[in-house]
Amino acid sequence: AQSVAQPEDQVNVAEGNPLTVKCTYSVSGNPYLFWYVQYPNRGLQFLLKYITGDNLVKGSYGFEAEFNKSQTSFHLKKPSALVSDSALYFCAVSAWGLTGGGNKLTFGTGTQLKVEL
Amino acid sequence: GAGVSQTPSNKVTEKGKYVELRCDPISGHTALYWYRQSLGQGPEFLIYFQGTGAADDSGLPNDRFFAVRPEGSVSTLKIQRTERGDSAVYLCASSFEGLDTDTQYFGPGTRLTVL
Repeated sequence: AQSVAQPEDQVNVAEGNPLTVKCTYSVSGNPYLFWYVQYPNRGLQFLLKYITGDNLVKGSYGFEAEFNKSQTSFHLKKPSALVSDSALYFCAVSAWGLTGGGNKLTFGTGTQLKVEL
Repeated sequence: GAGVSQTPSNKVTEKGKYVELRCDPISGHTALYWYRQSLGQGPEFLIYFQGTGAADDSGLPNDRFFAVRPEGSVSTLKIQRTERGDSAVYLCASSFEGLDTDTQYFGPGTRLTVL
C-alpha cells in the first residue's frame, strides 16, 4: 500500500525568504507525485506533478518541487515566499487501483504554511 | 473553462436522514472521483468512476454510502441513515482519462454536518 508523510504540521517563514514544505512517500512501482494547495473553504488547487524525467518540476505561482528517488522525497520549494502563499499544502501519490484501474490519490495530512511580513 | 462544481456547498442534516451530494465534472473528463476530508486530515479516496461504471469503490466505508453516474457526467453521492461521524467535507474530482499520470481537478466540496 502507498503512503505519504508530511512531517511538519506547520511551517513559518518570513516574506521574501525561501520556503520548503517536506514530503516523503512509499509506493510500489513508479511514483507519480502531486502537490495541491487548499485555501480556506475552498477545494484543492493543483500546483505541480512529477511523472518522469527531470527531477526538478516547476509549477504554478513560482513553486517547484524536487524529486529524490533515493530519499523517497518530493519537497515543495519556492525561492521567495509571499504572504499570499499562506495556505494548507498537500502532497499526494498516485497508485494504480487494484481493481479496475484509475489513479486514486493518497494524500498526506497537510502542512499549514504561514508567511509573515 | 468551467471547473468542477459541487452542490450544495453546505448541507446540515439530522442523524438518520438521507442526503444526496452532487458533482458536475469538467466537460469531457471521463474519470470522476469522490474523496472525503475530515477535519485536520488529508482527503481520503471513496470511489472512482470511469464513464458510467464504478471502477473502484474500495474506499466506501460501508453500505450506507452509494454513488451513481448514470450518463457518464454528473455524479451523485448518496448517504443513507446518516451518522454524526459522516460529518466531513466531501470532495469531487475529475480527470481526462483516469490514468495514473493524469491530474485530478477538484471541486470546492460539500461540507456535510450531521447533528
